[in-house]
Amino acid sequence: AQTVTQSQPEMSVQEAETVTLSCTYDTSENNYYLFWYKQPPSRQMILVIRQEAYKQQNATENRFSVNFQKAAKSFSLKISDSQLGDTAMYFCAFRPYFGNEKLTFGTGTRLTIIP
Amino acid sequence: EAQVTQNPRYLITVTGKKLTVTCSQNMNHEYMSWYRQDPGLGLRQIYYSMNVEVTDKGDVPEGYKVSRKEKRNFPLILESPSPNQTSLYFCASSQTPTGPGQPQHFGDGTRLSIL
Repeated sequence: AQTVTQSQPEMSVQEAETVTLSCTYDTSENNYYLFWYKQPPSRQMILVIRQEAYKQQNATENRFSVNFQKAAKSFSLKISDSQLGDTAMYFCAFRPYFGNEKLTFGTGTRLTIIP
Repeated sequence: EAQVTQNPRYLITVTGKKLTVTCSQNMNHEYMSWYRQDPGLGLRQIYYSMNVEVTDKGDVPEGYKVSRKEKRNFPLILESPSPNQTSLYFCASSQTPTGPGQPQHFGDGTRLSIL
């Protein structure tokens, strides 16, 4: 079974600064996907970024980028030039390549952007 | 507009009174799933369905039932709700097979309170 660990329950950062959210996971699979989801106060689950394990290149989406270290089983999210709208709960999630497409989530990091 | 629709958004009810949370998607997705979100635990899978008439248990299925008679609908049934089922529930869907790693689309969530 897979596990996903987010060791930072809460973080805060000044607007316009850069912040990194950490995520580690444990799996015996070689092929899989990793995701970061954002959950604002509206409760919606919004996909921020995804990474395929077989790709060495780190994924990037505008101000969001990841540092994917497959050997270390680490998948951190970096938010550059943080904005007030980035205030949300962030979840790291793992999904195997085959079979049940279940997402295994971490416990989340509550990020607050301070004006 | 591609979406996953859950109803109701909020429900307060009493122990033992059967209830159904509906989920419908308009993207012709094969895969559908239910998750519950609890503080400090992240999201956990309750049941999933790989296609019509194909359902299976997730990590926390006790006290829940599902059915998949049509491709677009995947209702979650609580036959005899109990207070420990008070939670935030999400329905999600995605195209299969996994292949290019299609992300799951989430509904807006249903807040259930069982008194």
